[in-house]
Amino acid sequence: KQEVTQIPAALSVPEGENLVLNCSFTDSAIYNLQWFRQDPGKGLTSLLLIQSSQREQTSGRLNASLDKSSGRSTLYIAASQPGDSATYLCAVRSLAGTASKLTFGTGTRLQVTL
Amino acid sequence: NAGVTQTPKFQVLKTGQSMTLQCAQDMNHNSMYWYRQDPGMGLRLIYYSASEGTTDKGEVPNGYNVSRLNKREFSLRLESAAPSQTSVYFCASSEADGYTFGSGTRLTVV
Repeated sequence: KQEVTQIPAALSVPEGENLVLNCSFTDSAIYNLQWFRQDPGKGLTSLLLIQSSQREQTSGRLNASLDKSSGRSTLYIAASQPGDSATYLCAVRSLAGTASKLTFGTGTRLQVTL
Repeated sequence: NAGVTQTPKFQVLKTGQSMTLQCAQDMNHNSMYWYRQDPGMGLRLIYYSASEGTTDKGEVPNGYNVSRLNKREFSLRLESAAPSQTSVYFCASSEADGYTFGSGTRLTVV
């Protein structure tokens, strides 16, 4: 059974700092990995999707890497802003095909302070 | 905007009452999913539908039923609500390009 762990569970940083969020998974036979953002009381917003054949994806100040063999992914946020404050969720898709299911980590709650 | 629409956004039920959560997507995705989110537990899969006409159990299906009405719509039914079903429910749809989630239904069972 796939298990996804995110460390740390919570993180507080001053504005402008670069930061890394970690995600690890137990079964390396994945189809892809997706990072989401969730604001309090809101739904999930997709940030980055990395296919199993890729090593990284970038969108603006966000960069996600994937090391499938070691079961790890990182989300790098450059020059953090108070608007980045949210919970960040990592989710792994374990089977090919459209019927495959996501396994989620419990998230990292990020607070960026002024 | 294209996406996944869930109704209602909030609901309070008494123990034993029934209700149906509605979900519709307009992205022509084949697969649809229902998740619940509880503090400290992350998101857990309740049921999913790989394509129109098929449904399968996920990790926590007990106490729920689903219907894939057509390609667009996937509903979740609680036949006899229990306090343990107090949660936030998310519907999602997917193709190879990843998942899209609805904004959620916050359900409280008293």
